[in-house]
Amino acid sequence: QVQLQQSGPGLVKPSQTLSLTCAISGDSVSSNSADWNWIRQSPSRGLEWLGRTYYRSKWYNDYAVSVKGRIILNADTSNNQFSLQLKSVTPEDAAVYYCAGYSTSARWFDPWGQGTLVTVSS
Amino acid sequence: DIQMTQSPSSLSASVGDRVTITCRASQSISNSLNWYQQKPGKAPKLLIYGASSLQSGVPSRFSGSGSGTDFTLTISSLQREDFATYYCQQSYSIPFTFGPGTKVDIK
Repeated sequence: QVQLQQSGPGLVKPSQTLSLTCAISGDSVSSNSADWNWIRQSPSRGLEWLGRTYYRSKWYNDYAVSVKGRIILNADTSNNQFSLQLKSVTPEDAAVYYCAGYSTSARWFDPWGQGTLVTVSS
Repeated sequence: DIQMTQSPSSLSASVGDRVTITCRASQSISNSLNWYQQKPGKAPKLLIYGASSLQSGVPSRFSGSGSGTDFTLTISSLQREDFATYYCQQSYSIPFTFGPGTKVDIK
């Protein structure tokens, strides 16, 4: 059974970088049949897909236009985890952030991390 | 981007009621449509995938139908544990997008 465990600070100052990590158990971040995603949820934007990282003989990333230029996703094969960095945050980036797995054969988000409530405030 | 809409945005129902939620995509997505249930403070949970396939462990009172642009989620007999918010999500193309949600609460 695949499980995801998120970690990272819940408070970020405006203009700084939000950094979250998602540790995977029961699967490999280097799997050729899974994508590793970040999704956020806020009252104003609802559920918003931010991006994915995946391995298909080499590493690929896809990002949402809304955060492109500010987002970096990385995979850490040594620790079997992946991470989100979102730069230059504003109060609009305040949300619950989720990591989620996506099987390319199944084509749905499962499992999900437990969620991290991120507040943007000085 | 493919836009997803849902109706209604909220509804009040009683235990035992039949409930239907509609999801519409801004372009055809074949059957690449998933439904999730979310309870307060929890991550969304997959109910239906591929528009009509029931995820393992999900009660059979949940069903999904549709293809192309119009989809429905039906709960045949609402149970107390079904009071939650329901989201549709298209897996047809990047960026993956979600509907705004339908909150089901107790009448």
